[in-house]
Amino acid sequence: AQTVTQSQPEMSVQEAETVTLSCTYDTSESDYYLFWYKQPPSRQMILVIRQEAYKQQNATENRFSVNFQKAAKSFSLKISDSQLGDAAMYFCAYRSAGWSSGSARQLTFGSGTQLTVLP
Amino acid sequence: ETGVTQTPRHLVMGMTNKKSLKCEQHLGHNAMYWYKQSAKKPLELMFVYNFKEQTENNSVPSRFSPECPNSSHLFLHLHTLQPEDSALYLCASSQERGNQETQYFGPGTRLLVL
Repeated sequence: AQTVTQSQPEMSVQEAETVTLSCTYDTSESDYYLFWYKQPPSRQMILVIRQEAYKQQNATENRFSVNFQKAAKSFSLKISDSQLGDAAMYFCAYRSAGWSSGSARQLTFGSGTQLTVLP
Repeated sequence: ETGVTQTPRHLVMGMTNKKSLKCEQHLGHNAMYWYKQSAKKPLELMFVYNFKEQTENNSVPSRFSPECPNSSHLFLHLHTLQPEDSALYLCASSQERGNQETQYFGPGTRLLVL
């Protein structure tokens, strides 16, 4: 079974600064997807960025980028030019690329990192 | 965001009540999911429906009963719940067997069991 670990329960960053959230995972599979979701106080789970394991290039979405280290099984999220609206709980998630069963398609989430943005 | 909608947004029920949560997706996806989010715990997958196939998490009590009448609608029927079932219930959908593996979530139903 896959596991996802987020070792930072809470992080804070000054507005306009850069912050990096850590995520490690454990899997024996070679093909999979990794995601970062944010959950603001509204509780809506919003996709931030995704990475296919077969792609060596790190994914980027505007101010959000990842550092994907497949061999180290590490998938960190970097937020540049932090804004007050970035304050949320951030979840790292893993998903197998297999098709064989419903359980193979499930997202496995980490425990989350609560990000506070200081004005 | 109206891609995945959930109703009701908030629900308070007694342990003897029967209620249903509804999820609807407007994204043309063919897979739908129920997740449970309890305080200070990672999200837990409860059920998956894909191509009319249901996968049930073995740890889900029978007091939770899913129903998927078509690819756009998913229900979670609740009966004789316990206070520990109080949580945020999130619905998600995705397009399977394509390159769009991303799950998109609804806003959730916050359930309180008294």
